[in-house]
Amino acid sequence: GQNIDQPTEMTATEGAIVQINCTYQTSGFNGLFWYQQHAGEAPTFLSYNVLDGLEEKGRFSSFLSRSKGYSYLLLKELQMKDSASYLCAPRGYSTLTFGKGTMLLVSP
Amino acid sequence: DGGITQSPKYLFRKEGQNVTLSCEQNLNHDAMYWYRQDPGQGLRLIYYSQIVNDFQKGDIAEGYSVSREKKESFPLTVTSAQKNPTAFYLCASSIGLAGGGEQFFGPGTRLTVL
Repeated sequence: GQNIDQPTEMTATEGAIVQINCTYQTSGFNGLFWYQQHAGEAPTFLSYNVLDGLEEKGRFSSFLSRSKGYSYLLLKELQMKDSASYLCAPRGYSTLTFGKGTMLLVSP
Repeated sequence: DGGITQSPKYLFRKEGQNVTLSCEQNLNHDAMYWYRQDPGQGLRLIYYSQIVNDFQKGDIAEGYSVSREKKESFPLTVTSAQKNPTAFYLCASSIGLAGGGEQFFGPGTRLTVL
C-alpha cells in the first residue's frame, strides 16, 4: 500500500520562499511527481524526481531522498498566482498515488 | 492542439440512474486513467488502461465500469451501485505506465447526483 503525508495548509507572503514537504511509504518506488492544482481545475505537472537530489526548474525546485521516503517542493519569489493546492504523487509499480495536497495561500 | 477533453463540465443526474462520462485524447498516449476527487481529498484512482481492450481496477473501482475500444477514448460509467457518486471526476493520459512521462489531465467533470 501507499501512505503519503503532506501539510494540509501553508501561508506565505508574495516574494517569499516556501518549502512544501512530503513523506511517503510505497510498495515499490518508481519516481515522484509534484502537481499544481488551482481550485476547480485539473492538476498540472510541475516536476518529476527519480534519483536522489535536487531538480531545479525556474522558480520551482523539487528534492528527493529515496532512503528517507522524503521529498519537498521549493517555490521561490512567490506570486499571487501560486496560490493553489500542491499534490505529491509517488509512483509505485505502475500507477501514481496522490497525497491529499497542500493548500498554499499567498498574501500580498 | 493536442490534449484531453472531457464532457460535459457539469452533469446532474437523479439517484439510481447510470451516467457515462466521456474522455477523449489526441496525444497518441497508450495509458489512460480515471480519478475521483472529493473536497479536501487527493485524487483516487478508479480505473486505468495500458492499451486498447485492456483495463485494470484502481483503488475504488466498485460501482464504476469502463471500456477501452479505441486508443483515443476511455469512457467511465458511474452505475447506480456507486453509493456516493457526487464528486469531481478527472481523466488523464500518459505515454505509458512506466518511465518518467507525466500524466496529462482533462478539465474534469463535476457530477452531482440529486
